[in-house]
Amino acid sequence: DQQVKQNSPSLSVQEGRISILNCDYTNSMFDYFLWYKKYPAEGPTFLISISSIKDKNEDGRFTVFLNKSAKHLSLHIVPSQPGDSAVYFCAAPAPTDSGGGADGLTFGKGTHLIIQP
Amino acid sequence: DGGITQSPKYLFRKEGQNVTLSCEQNLNHDAMYWYRQDPGQGLRLIYYSQIVNDFQKGDIAEGYSVSREKKESFPLTVTSAQKNPTAFYLCASRIGRGNTEAFFGQGTRLTVV
Repeated sequence: DQQVKQNSPSLSVQEGRISILNCDYTNSMFDYFLWYKKYPAEGPTFLISISSIKDKNEDGRFTVFLNKSAKHLSLHIVPSQPGDSAVYFCAAPAPTDSGGGADGLTFGKGTHLIIQP
Repeated sequence: DGGITQSPKYLFRKEGQNVTLSCEQNLNHDAMYWYRQDPGQGLRLIYYSQIVNDFQKGDIAEGYSVSREKKESFPLTVTSAQKNPTAFYLCASRIGRGNTEAFFGQGTRLTVV
């Protein structure tokens, strides 16, 4: 069962407008979330993260919002630029209090963002 | 510059052959990971290693093997037992467990013909 879900495979936004990418999770033990950006045939690059003790984190044009009660987070990009066209992944590391259990990041399936001129 | 290097970028192999993908990092990270990406799928964890000489299976380890003899290196072998090996393989590293970001290499595209 998917613990991190990105239900929109693709999103098309006009240049200069706001892009909003959504992510839902099912594991209430997750306490940290990350967004990655990925171009074709390249490795993902880290964009922004948020701890569960916050509900918002901002870095330039990128803002991530976290709604713990809804188990939902979103990435806002404003204004959207042509170079933002890429696949965006939401991810969460294994909970910090999971003892000696599994490690690694759990990823959603990604949302392909297309910025139209 | 510090980073993660994967080689080669493209790899072609005949069906039934084993192939080893290289991953080297100079970030002094303890933890290293191998992920696989298929079209329309997220990144799925194959194996991970939290420390030298130790590694653990991820979600899709069947048909793969790894070693961690040095902190800097975490090679992945795709064996003939892997039923669908054609994919994009990504290596990553982190300082350790917990709430830290992972840094990724540029990936290796493996095509089995």
